Amino acid sequence: EPEVTQTPSHQVTQMGQEVILRCVPISNHLYFYWYRQILGQKVEFLVSFYNNEISEKSEIFDDQFSVERPDGSNFTLKIRSTKLEDSAMYFCASSGSLAGGGEQYFGPGTRLTVT
Amino acid sequence: QKEVEQNSGPLSVPEGAIASLNCTYSDRGSQSFFWYRQYSGKSPELIMSIYSNGDKEDGRFTAQLNKASQYVSLLIRDSQPSDSATYLCAVKRPASGGSYIPTFGRGTSLIVHP
Repeated sequence: EPEVTQTPSHQVTQMGQEVILRCVPISNHLYFYWYRQILGQKVEFLVSFYNNEISEKSEIFDDQFSVERPDGSNFTLKIRSTKLEDSAMYFCASSGSLAGGGEQYFGPGTRLTVT
Repeated sequence: QKEVEQNSGPLSVPEGAIASLNCTYSDRGSQSFFWYRQYSGKSPELIMSIYSNGDKEDGRFTAQLNKASQYVSLLIRDSQPSDSATYLCAVKRPASGGSYIPTFGRGTSLIVHP
């Protein structure tokens, strides 16, 4: 069964460093999403991406964040200068269409620890 | 603030019983509704989606939607210990850009005891 994959599974970085989180969505999906979940808190929407551009973004997704689909398979989230409060699980999700509401399938996540 | 509210629980039910999980949402323009299951330390796993008023059944799971009351529920029949997890309600609400933003509730912890 097709699945969303994410790398790395765990990333440790120092405050102020740049990190890139990688995702490979399900191959025939067209809509891509990034979420974060701080430990013990709810899943928070960051950004949605379709047709090589951002569709929607939340207030969390400020200028420190960017997304890119550098080739036909990868979808990346870059955090330019990490802060301690960026420590969280980051989930990528993909959806085949928006028809019928757009069911999203999540990857296993990347645990980001900023020290 | 457009919210999705869930009772955090834990909801404890005996094996074989029906577990009932509830969710309310504040944005009346919300269009699509989803239930996810999340085991500790894992990613959300889609259980069901529902888009129109009424019930939708899939195996042991039944989702119920009442848009007038802004209420979504999930029933799990014949609950098993393996159903013990946090259940997340997610709603797609209208965004300023013209599409929809997925918004999650904090989740309800379900414990099914043998």
